[in-house]
Formats: sequence, structure tokens, C-alpha cells
Amino acid sequence: QVQLVESGGDLVKPGGSLRLSCAASGFSFSDYYMSWVRQAPGKGLEWVSYISESGRPIYYADSVKGRFTISRDNAKDSLYLEMNNLRAEDSAIYYCARGGSWVDYWGQGTLVTVSS
Amino acid sequence: AIQLTQSPSSLSASVGDRVTITCRASQGIGSNLAWYQQKPGKGPNLLIYDASSLKSGVPSRFSGSGSGTDFTLTISSLQPEDVATYFCQQFNSYPLTFGPGTKVDIK
Repeated sequence: QVQLVESGGDLVKPGGSLRLSCAASGFSFSDYYMSWVRQAPGKGLEWVSYISESGRPIYYADSVKGRFTISRDNAKDSLYLEMNNLRAEDSAIYYCARGGSWVDYWGQGTLVTVSS
Repeated sequence: AIQLTQSPSSLSASVGDRVTITCRASQGIGSNLAWYQQKPGKGPNLLIYDASSLKSGVPSRFSGSGSGTDFTLTISSLQPEDVATYFCQQFNSYPLTFGPGTKVDIK
């Protein structure tokens, strides 16, 4: 069965950096677009970034453009999100998601908290 | 960016009731709409894509309809396990956007 397991969430100070990882299993990872979607506590969903099967094209929401970098390693069935210059408004649960238009499978999420 | 609004923001209904949730887009999006169910503490689950296509394994009491700017998600007979928040999402153009959600609980 399809599984997406995120890791790397933590408490970080404003201006700090963090790298999220997502380990995929149960499907042919290299055949799918992958995305990161986030949800602030008690709030709605925001699409953050997607990456195509090959690594290009890539999309970023305006709110993270220039600060976040999405990447993937198809040999390791893994998706990553490098987050720099973090702000309080980046605090959220970050979900790894399969798909680049609609998402048919989601992970359980990893919590990122940006606070001094 | 395309804005999505949902109504109602919350509802309470009895087991067996027919429940309808509406999603409206700020401009036409064809049939490029998906619906998700999210239970507390869990990631969302896809229910419907392309406005009316049911994801394999999703109970048939869930259905979607609409095109252009107005869409509906219907639960034909509400079950206790349907208590959740429901989100619509457009994939007609980037940035991809979600509706604010509709919280459904049992009366």
C-alpha cells in the first residue's frame, strides 16, 4: 500500500533553517509528481511546492519562493524540502503528497514551529 | 489566484441525513476540482477528483457535481464515520488553492 512518511519537523528560531524529508513506499515513486502542502494549526491547507517526476518543472507558492527548495532522489524514493530564513508564519504541519494537481495520497505530516 | 469559498462553514446533521456542501470559485475552472476529507489529527483523504469522479475505495454515498464556478459534494446518507472537515481544491491554474473547509458533525 502507498505510504508517505515525513520527518524533520522541529522547533526553530526565526531566520533559521530546516530540512524535511519524505520516505515513499508502495508505488513507483519516479512515476509521480510529488508535492508539499502545509496547514497552520487549526487553519486551512496551502500548497507549498511541487516537483515533476524528473525534477523539472518545479513550482513554489509566492509565500515561500526564494526561501524553500524542493528536491527528490528517485533512487532513494525520497522527497525533500529545504527551508531557509524561516518565519513565524511558516509554522504548520507539512504534508508530503503524491500528485501535482490533485493529491491522491497524503502523509501524516510533520510539525514545524518557528518561534523565538 | 483563484479564490474558493465553501458553504456552510459548519453543519450538524443526523445519521442517515443527506448532506450537501457547496464550493464556489472566483472564476471558471471547468471540472478541475477535487474534494478531500480530513479527520482530526490526520492528513486529508481524496474523495472526488475532476469534480465528479469518485476515487477507488471511497464509499458510494459520496458524490460530486458541478462545473465552471459552482460545485457540490453530497453525502447521500450521513454515517458517524463521516464526521470530518471537507475541503475543495482547484487545479485549473497555479497557484493551486483550497477552500476554507466545512466541518461536519453528528446532531
